[in-house]
Amino acid sequence: SQTIHQWPATLVQPVGSPLSLECTVEGTSNPNLYWYRQAAGRGLQLLFYSVGIGQISSEVPQNLSASRPQDRQFILSSKKLLLSDSGFYLCALQGGHLAKNIQYFGAGTRLSVL
Amino acid sequence: KQEVTQIPAALSVPEGENLVLNCSFTDSAIYNLQWFRQDPGKGLTSLLLIQSSQREQTSGRLNASLDKSSGRSTLYIAASQPGDSATYLCAVTGNQFYFGTGTSLTVIP
Repeated sequence: SQTIHQWPATLVQPVGSPLSLECTVEGTSNPNLYWYRQAAGRGLQLLFYSVGIGQISSEVPQNLSASRPQDRQFILSSKKLLLSDSGFYLCALQGGHLAKNIQYFGAGTRLSVL
Repeated sequence: KQEVTQIPAALSVPEGENLVLNCSFTDSAIYNLQWFRQDPGKGLTSLLLIQSSQREQTSGRLNASLDKSSGRSTLYIAASQPGDSATYLCAVTGNQFYFGTGTSLTVIP
């Protein structure tokens, strides 16, 4: 079965510090991968999605970036965090040969920028 | 661009009641619609997936319907329980996923 690993589970970072959140998936190959953010009191917002290694599409212009160095690895980064970057970050995968168009989510990372 | 709206934003019901959550979307050209549950501080759990060619799906006490032509879906929860308390999200899917803002459900014992 497909599994998504996200770490860390919680993170507290000062404003201006860098960020690296990692997501790895198991049990599937060549999935579409997604990064979402949920800010407090707001709905989920799609940040980035990737259809393959090195292919990244950005949905919202901001100080975050994403990379996909391997088929099953998706990384969310920032060079300098802002207060507004606080939120709950979810990694998701779609597809694979068993579950096309069904999206699976990781447990998420709660980021607090102080 | 696809817009997904969920009504109500919050709902509080006594235990045992049947309830309906609503989801509407502006672009009927979708592949499927999915209902999720999110518990506070946790990730999402997929509840039901309705393909665009289907009208409804059932899982236990949950029943989801889809009317693609009118851009609507409902999630029916029968005999609600306190453990059903969570935020419920609908998402319409194509090449991307578009989420609604969710309905926060509280079931009072």
